[in-house]
Amino acid sequence: DAGVTQSPTHLIKTRGQQVTLRCSPKSGHDTVSWYQQALGQGPQFIFQYYEEEERQRGNFPDRFSGHQFPNYSSELNVNALWLGDSALYLCASSLAGGLVSYNEQFFGPGTRLTVL
Amino acid sequence: AQSVAQPEDQVNVAEGNPLTVKCTYSVSGNPYLFWYVQYPNRGLQFLLKYITGDNLVKGSYGFEAEFNKSQTSFHLKKPSALVSDSALYFCAVRDIYARDDKIIFGKGTRLHILP
Repeated sequence: DAGVTQSPTHLIKTRGQQVTLRCSPKSGHDTVSWYQQALGQGPQFIFQYYEEEERQRGNFPDRFSGHQFPNYSSELNVNALWLGDSALYLCASSLAGGLVSYNEQFFGPGTRLTVL
Repeated sequence: AQSVAQPEDQVNVAEGNPLTVKCTYSVSGNPYLFWYVQYPNRGLQFLLKYITGDNLVKGSYGFEAEFNKSQTSFHLKKPSALVSDSALYFCAVRDIYARDDKIIFGKGTRLHILP
């Protein structure tokens, strides 16, 4: 089991550009969440995808968008990049849970995005 | 609104001594609580979780955490620290009655185990 994989590992962009980050979930998982981890901070929830739809969203602008494919993999897109978007972007996968049970999220190694 | 506080930016412990990493939380309902560890250039690794039941939760690598509802705390503990435990530790919370399963993370505590 390869676990959660993310690509690319590192990325350097300039202000105003657009970026796409990719995530493949752990085998058997159907839910993908994206987090932004700024330097010295804890991960901040961006959004979550389940059944190819955005299920919930954190406090991030519309410049951040995503997609989930039928094989459960996911993409995070960020438009009009600015310096403050520089961070480690983490993808986490899990099995969809309800109120009775909760399945922990498994994280990938992250994509380090630098905006110059 | 949910929130997590990790009051210590850094904790230093001598190898072989017991360690504690503190966490307090705030949710409107009942919490799901988690601890994750992050090694350099790695993603977060799950250590343990509290959902319900016994207040003392045992997890990976000999770590355990105690849920204290009256103090709204979920401190991470280990009886005997190893140098390899040196890493960044995150506490996280989810409100089990929230309509989403968004996890809120603390800012993290850097644990240094001194040889």
